[in-house]
Amino acid sequence: AQSVTQLDSHVSVSEGTPVLLRCNYSSSYSPSLFWYVQHPNKGLQLLLKYTSAATLVKGINGFEAEFKKSETSFHLTKPSAHMSDAAEYFCVVSDADKLIFGTGTRLQVFP
Amino acid sequence: DTAVSQTPKYLVTQMGNDKSIKCEQNLGHDTMYWYKQDSKKFLKIMFSYNNKELIINETVPNRFSPKSPDKAHLNLHINSLELGDSAVYFCASSQWSDFTTDTQYFGPGTRLTVL
Repeated sequence: AQSVTQLDSHVSVSEGTPVLLRCNYSSSYSPSLFWYVQHPNKGLQLLLKYTSAATLVKGINGFEAEFKKSETSFHLTKPSAHMSDAAEYFCVVSDADKLIFGTGTRLQVFP
Repeated sequence: DTAVSQTPKYLVTQMGNDKSIKCEQNLGHDTMYWYKQDSKKFLKIMFSYNNKELIINETVPNRFSPKSPDKAHLNLHINSLELGDSAVYFCASSQWSDFTTDTQYFGPGTRLTVL
């Protein structure tokens, strides 16, 4: 069965510093992976997705993620955090008939 | 124009009551979903419909009954509400039902509180 593990439940950064949100996956076949963001009291929004094309995936708002098969990882990064990036981030893997969500990482951005 | 809308946004009710949550999408998508997000933010799919036909039912109690009157609507009716039903319920839609590539678009959520 497919699964994802988000290694940090909370990450705090200062505005203007890099962001790293870690995600490891488990899959019996080549997975499709996604990062979704949820701002407070809002629905989820797709940031980016990997579907077996380029391993470095660029998303919205300056985020990107790299698919590393050897490490079974799909970490989300951003060079410079902005206050508006404060939110909950979900790493997601596709199963045959549904999406499997990680437990989420809360990103705090301090001025 | 909101792509995926849900009503109501908040729902507070007593145990044992029956309630409904409505969802509408104006994206022309074929597939719609209901998700439940618990107090720890864990998100899990409950149902999915493709062209008004049920394609996923994820071991949800039969007190929960989805209904899709047309492709643009997927409503969720809950009978005999229990304390454990308290959660945020999200509706979502996607163009097709290809979980490997499709982007799902989420509504703003309905926070259900059962007292």
